[in-house]
Amino acid sequence: AQSVTQPDIHITVSEGASLELRCNYSYGATPYLFWYVQSPGQGLQLLLKYFSGDTLVQGIKGFEAEFKRSQSSFNLRKPSVHWSDAAEYFCAVGAGTGGFKTIFGAGTRLFVKA
Amino acid sequence: GAVVSQHPSRVICKSGTSVKIECRSLDFQATTMFWYRQFPKQSLMLMATSNEGSKATYEQGVEKDKFLINHASLTLSTLTVTSAHPEDSSFYICSARVSGLAYEQYFGPGTRLTVT
Repeated sequence: AQSVTQPDIHITVSEGASLELRCNYSYGATPYLFWYVQSPGQGLQLLLKYFSGDTLVQGIKGFEAEFKRSQSSFNLRKPSVHWSDAAEYFCAVGAGTGGFKTIFGAGTRLFVKA
Repeated sequence: GAVVSQHPSRVICKSGTSVKIECRSLDFQATTMFWYRQFPKQSLMLMATSNEGSKATYEQGVEKDKFLINHASLTLSTLTVTSAHPEDSSFYICSARVSGLAYEQYFGPGTRLTVT
C-alpha cells in the first residue's frame, strides 16, 4: 500500500539557518510527489512537485526538493529560513490510476526562532 | 493560477441539524473534486472523491449517508453533513483537480465546522 512518512513531527530552526524536512514514501511505481505548506486555519499551498525528469525540483518561496529513488525519499530544503516560513509542511504522493488519490504524510510543524 | 473557494469559512451549528459546505473552482473546470477532513494537528484524511455528474466514491469508514456529496457542475461540489454531532466538528478542506492533469490539485481554504 502507498504511504508517506514524515519522521519529524516538529522542527525548530533559527531564522537564517538552513532547513531540511524529511519525507519517505512507499509506492510500487514511479511516484508523483508533492510538498504542500499550510498556515494555521488555512488550506494547502503547493510548494513544488516531482513527476519526472530532473530529480532536483525548484519550488516557490525558495524551496527545493530532491527525489532519490534509491532511498525512497523526497526531502524538502531551503538554504535560509525566514520567520514567515513557520507553518505545517506536508509531503504527499499521488497514488492509483483512475482515482488519482493523493496520500499525505502526517506533516511536520516548522517553528522559526529569532 | 487556479483558485478554489469554499463557503462558509466557518460555521457553528446545533447538534442534529445539517450543514452544507460549498466548494467552487473559480477559474477552471474541475471534473474531479476531493473532500478531506483534518483534525487538529493531524494530516488530511481523504473522505471522498467527487466526479461531476456521477456518484461520489467514499473512502472506507466514511458514512455516505451522513456526508452527502453532490458534484452538479464542473465548478461546484457540495458536502452536506447531515444530523451533525459534536464529533463531526472538524476542518473540512476540498480540492479540485484540473482536467487533463492527473495529479494537479488545488486546495480550498477550508471550512471550520463546530457542532454544539
